[in-house]
Amino acid sequence: DVKVTQSSRYLVKRTGEKVFLECVQDMDHENMFWYRQDPGLGLRLIYFSYDVKMKEKGDIPEGYSVSREKKERFSLILESASTNQTSMYLCASSSRGFATNEKLFFGSGTQLSVL
Amino acid sequence: GNSVTQMEGPVTLSEEAFLTINCTYTATGYPSLFWYVQYPGEGLQLLLKATKADDKGSNKGFEATYRKETTSFHLEKGSVQVSDSAVYFCALRAYNTDKLIFGTGTRLQVFP
Repeated sequence: DVKVTQSSRYLVKRTGEKVFLECVQDMDHENMFWYRQDPGLGLRLIYFSYDVKMKEKGDIPEGYSVSREKKERFSLILESASTNQTSMYLCASSSRGFATNEKLFFGSGTQLSVL
Repeated sequence: GNSVTQMEGPVTLSEEAFLTINCTYTATGYPSLFWYVQYPGEGLQLLLKATKADDKGSNKGFEATYRKETTSFHLEKGSVQVSDSAVYFCALRAYNTDKLIFGTGTRLQVFP
């Protein structure tokens, strides 16, 4: 069974902390994505990566960075967490060009609370 | 730019009622269109898709037709069940990109 696994389901951090959200996929996908999901705003793309060590900004990259050192792992980093980063974070992956089956595979999400 | 607009929820229905969730889009070129569903406590999963005009996507009794003339991709189901209660997201993938742009989501609540 194909999987996108996010390391934590719930996370509570304090303002100013450096936060790492980890995502691993086992489908050998080239593309990986980080979205945040907020009520009334839907899913907004933070960063995505087309390949190892490659990254591109999405629609709301401010306050975030990412790392993709290995093909299967894509990390989202909050350099100095703030309360407005309290959200549900969703990781997703897909094959390049959606060549095989034209869809994103999502993890179950990490609910981050910044106090 | 590219965008997706879908109706606000929640949509509240009785079991076996007819469902329509509206979705319209703005995009250059010829996008692919998707409906994703998120059940409580889970990530999103693909419900159906259409990759060109007049295509009809269908799955689990849900249908949506890609209407280029009205730039719409409305989701329909003839008879909803309690188990269909979830949040539904319309999305597009613009031509020549791997990024998906999502709408704001519509919560569906079905009561027995």
